[in-house]
Amino acid sequence: DAKTTQPPSMDCAEGRAANLPCNHSTISGNEYVYWYRQIHSQGPQYIIHGLKNNETNEMASLIITEDRKSSTLILPHATLRDTAVYYCIVIWGDNDMRFGAGTRLTVKP
Amino acid sequence: EAGVTQFPSHSVIEKGQTVTLRCDPISGHDNLYWYRRVMGKEIKFLLHFVKESKQDESGMPNNRFLAERTGGTYSTLKVQPAELEDSGVYFCASSQSSYNEQFFGPGTRLTVL
Repeated sequence: DAKTTQPPSMDCAEGRAANLPCNHSTISGNEYVYWYRQIHSQGPQYIIHGLKNNETNEMASLIITEDRKSSTLILPHATLRDTAVYYCIVIWGDNDMRFGAGTRLTVKP
Repeated sequence: EAGVTQFPSHSVIEKGQTVTLRCDPISGHDNLYWYRRVMGKEIKFLLHFVKESKQDESGMPNNRFLAERTGGTYSTLKVQPAELEDSGVYFCASSQSSYNEQFFGPGTRLTVL
């Protein structure tokens, strides 16, 4: 039971922003939102995480709605190498990560 | 800093044989996790070590799977005897604490014929 809902697939043009949505309407107050991605058959790669404030790092930005029931991962300038499956996961403390099906993002030239 | 490493990268065995997968976490990471993805399905949690102790092994599919982490450093995952449905990619991850992000290894692709 992944506790999150993501669209199965999305396309994005190279150089444009990729906005990946995630619904987590049952999130509890102390659960964080994590994003990982898996490029082809490599191991999942950590991208970013947040609790309630928006976060930004060198890879992406994370926008969390005020009610925390949904979030959006933003890749500001998508490249072909960003083609991957993106996983949105909610987790608290030492609970174990539950991956869902994720969103398959295809960046097109 | 070296990342999480896994060995072997690929393993092909016959049904009924035994296979042992190894994971070396990032140095200093007390938390070590095993996951697997079987064909066409999602990545599933298997178990979680804190140092040498099993914190949570609720995801282990059955008693043919045995994970160890003697000394709290590297971990092994043994499958004995292997069945066809065990084929998939086995990932290991580590984190400094259970509240930090997990860093994944490249995975071991296991094929049981």
